[in-house]
Amino acid sequence: GNSVTQMEGPVTLSEEAFLTINCTYTATGYPSLFWYVQYPGEGLQLLLKATKADDKGSNKGFEATYRKETTSFHLEKGSVQVSDSAVYFCALRGMYNNNDMRFGAGTRLTVKP
Amino acid sequence: GAGVSQSPSNKVTEKGKDVELRCDPISGHTALYWYRQSLGQGLEFLIYFQGNSAPDKSGLPSDRFSAERTGGSVSTLTIQRTQQEDSAVYLCASSLADTQYFGPGTRLTVL
Repeated sequence: GNSVTQMEGPVTLSEEAFLTINCTYTATGYPSLFWYVQYPGEGLQLLLKATKADDKGSNKGFEATYRKETTSFHLEKGSVQVSDSAVYFCALRGMYNNNDMRFGAGTRLTVKP
Repeated sequence: GAGVSQSPSNKVTEKGKDVELRCDPISGHTALYWYRQSLGQGLEFLIYFQGNSAPDKSGLPSDRFSAERTGGSVSTLTIQRTQQEDSAVYLCASSLADTQYFGPGTRLTVL
């Protein structure tokens, strides 16, 4: 079945450092790919998404490119801020089943000033 | 506009008791999902409602878990005879298309 494997955390960075959180997936066909973020004390919210190969999702300085050839959707940000401290979840939605949503285990990011 | 709301925000119960968790989705969203988030784990799919179709219950871990959605809106997740391993954060999400909007969750602690 479909699955998502996400870089284990926690990740601790200094402000303005470069961030990469790796995500790879296993799925049939062409799933839609997502990154969700959970800030402390808040619910999960969509950060960005990509629905077809080579699409780049971007939001709040974060980017992720849908790579079919490597089955990856790595999250990147060039310069992190303290306010980016949160848990990040990679997710996919199956191509053939609208409710087939799979989430990774989450990666906790802490950014220190 | 109003987002997805869940109640209660926290629930502490004794082993063997029944609990009900409530989810109010975003108005007009036809799809509703329940997930469980255990400490250090990802989101575990529990059940999915789509419009008037029969729900997808394939993620429910045992027959102690059940859920209903009345009038295509509010949903209640019921856990009977709670066990300590049921302790987790229970998340509800609703969607109209492919983006899910999550509620803040209910933290369930079974003593």
